[in-house]
Amino acid sequence: AQSVAQPEDQVNVAEGNPLTVKCTYSVSGNPYLFWYVQYPNRGLQFLLKYITGDNLVKGSYGFEAEFNKSQTSFHLKKPSALVSDSALYFCAVTSLGSSNTGKLIFGQGTTLQVKP
Amino acid sequence: NAGVTQTPKFRILKIGQSMTLQCTQDMNHNYMYWYRQDPGMGLKLIYYSVGAGITDKGEVPNGYNVSRSTTEDFPLRLELAAPSQTSVYFCASSYSMRQGREQYFGPGTRLTVT
Repeated sequence: AQSVAQPEDQVNVAEGNPLTVKCTYSVSGNPYLFWYVQYPNRGLQFLLKYITGDNLVKGSYGFEAEFNKSQTSFHLKKPSALVSDSALYFCAVTSLGSSNTGKLIFGQGTTLQVKP
Repeated sequence: NAGVTQTPKFRILKIGQSMTLQCTQDMNHNYMYWYRQDPGMGLKLIYYSVGAGITDKGEVPNGYNVSRSTTEDFPLRLELAAPSQTSVYFCASSYSMRQGREQYFGPGTRLTVT
């Protein structure tokens, strides 16, 4: 069965410091991995994805993520955090099974708090 | 661009009442999804559709029904509302998942059943 784990409920960082939000996954077959961000009372917004190719993927708002196949991880990173990055972050995974519907499995979410 | 729109934004239902949550997308996406979001639980897939006339169950379909008569619309029907259906509901759409295309989400409907 497919699953995603985000081991930290909350991550606290100071503005200007680097940030990491962790994600590990379990799928059969090659994974498609996604990061989404949710601001209060809003829907989810797509940040970035890994499909194939370079293990380091760059996305919106200066975020990037590194795919590590041996550790089955896809951690979200940003070199310098902003207060406006404070939000709820979701990791999601899918893989192409026989049905080819690619249903996304979401982690439980990590709240990022960036303090001035 | 409107993207994915959902109505209503908020609703309070009494136990046993029914309602339909509306979802419309203007991106000509074939794939549409309904999720519910409960605190600390991430998003759970309720139903999905791979095109007009085709729907299928997700992880948590009990108590819900869907239909997909057009590419644009994917309403979610709650029959006999129960307190366990108190949640935030999100509709999403995507062009395809074959190439790992991302999903686009609506703003959500916050439903309370009392």
